[in-house]
Amino acid sequence: DQQVKQNSPSLSVQEGRISILNCDYTNSMFDYFLWYKKYPAEGPTFLISISSIKDKNEDGRFTVFLNKSAKHLSLHIVPSQPGDSAVYFCAASVPGSSNTGKLIFGQGTTLQVKP
Amino acid sequence: KAGVTQTPRYLIKTRGQQVTLSCSPISGHRSVSWYQQTPGQGLQFLFEYFSETQRNKGNFPGRFSGRQFSNSRSEMNVSTLELGDSALYLCASSPQTGGYEQYFGPGTRLTVT
Repeated sequence: DQQVKQNSPSLSVQEGRISILNCDYTNSMFDYFLWYKKYPAEGPTFLISISSIKDKNEDGRFTVFLNKSAKHLSLHIVPSQPGDSAVYFCAASVPGSSNTGKLIFGQGTTLQVKP
Repeated sequence: KAGVTQTPRYLIKTRGQQVTLSCSPISGHRSVSWYQQTPGQGLQFLFEYFSETQRNKGNFPGRFSGRQFSNSRSEMNVSTLELGDSALYLCASSPQTGGYEQYFGPGTRLTVT
């Protein structure tokens, strides 16, 4: 069962506009959510995270929103730049010693920012 | 600080062989997690090591094993390789066990023929 879902495999936006990447989850026990960016032939790079006790976290051009009742989070990139073109993964973790060190990832969304 | 390093970056092995991959975490990070990335399954958690002890293990067969050394460097081993083991193997480090933010290395691309 896929506990973290990114239903849009790809997204294309114009440079300077807003990019919105979405992620849904099914496990209400998730207590921490993260977004990673991945370029080809590189490992995922941590972007931003949010705890389940918050509904928004901002870092420069990146903002993550969490809607716990809808089990939905989104990553907003404003303004989008061509260098943001990459695969974006959302990930979640479950607290507890039996889940330590484990992140559960979505399938990724490929973002293309056109100049 | 130097990032997570993984060696080798690329590897080609034959079915039935075994392979060992290496990971050096960010200096000061004591937790190392391993993931397998394939086109079909995405990123799947293999195991986590902290203080030379395996703290958690994902749903992979016993052919997948690992260890961690006193300097926090980690290795993972896959024995009796199968074609389906072809994947990108990623290592991630975190300052402490259960740490949420994990920092990934570039990965080792394993091809089994």
